[in-house]
Amino acid sequence: GAVVSQHPSWVICKSGTSVKIECRSLDFQATTMFWYRQFPKQSLMLMATSNEGSKATYEQGVEKDKFLINHASLTLSTLTVTSAHPEDSSFYICSALSGATGDEQFFGPGTRLTVL
Amino acid sequence: AQSVTQLGSHVSVSEGALVLLRCNYSSSVPPYLFWYVQYPNQGLQLLLKYTSAATLVKGINGFEAEFKKSETSFHLTKPSAHMSDAAEYFCAVTKGSGNTPLVFGKGTRLSVIA
Repeated sequence: GAVVSQHPSWVICKSGTSVKIECRSLDFQATTMFWYRQFPKQSLMLMATSNEGSKATYEQGVEKDKFLINHASLTLSTLTVTSAHPEDSSFYICSALSGATGDEQFFGPGTRLTVL
Repeated sequence: AQSVTQLGSHVSVSEGALVLLRCNYSSSVPPYLFWYVQYPNQGLQLLLKYTSAATLVKGINGFEAEFKKSETSFHLTKPSAHMSDAAEYFCAVTKGSGNTPLVFGKGTRLSVIA
């Protein structure tokens, strides 16, 4: 139980295009999901908190107009990187809070984004 | 603000030797603490967590960690390293109380030498 999936697992795109990454909780409902970003050989940095049915809360320094987050249902949150540039290349990881175990986040396998 | 410091970006041990990965935290509220393992190009897997219950926490794959409030530490140990333990390990603290985002340490890469 408590499985979180991400799609796609990797994506390569041209500079200036937009990319959507999906995060799904497969066997539980998640009112809260988090989006993290991980640069090579570095730690995870929280980008935003996504709450179902409301606007996401972004961390300081994260451009909300560039990283659009939508949490339209209790099992799906999406992150859209708009007008991607090479510096947006990174590993994006989502996590979801299970209502049954509110203190544990279940992480997705991550999405590797490469912007050419 | 909450923060985590992992001492040593790279630790190398021989197979069968003790594994000790150090983590010190700073938190303005009673912390929830976590250790995660990450294999290359994969997400994070929870090893163990401390949520104000027993101070000695046992996790998966033979790992355990002890919460020491006086030392603000939550070091991860395993009595005998296995080759499959080679990975990146992250210590994390909740940003606030309970189910809030995690603040991660910079990670420690564990190498296991045959």
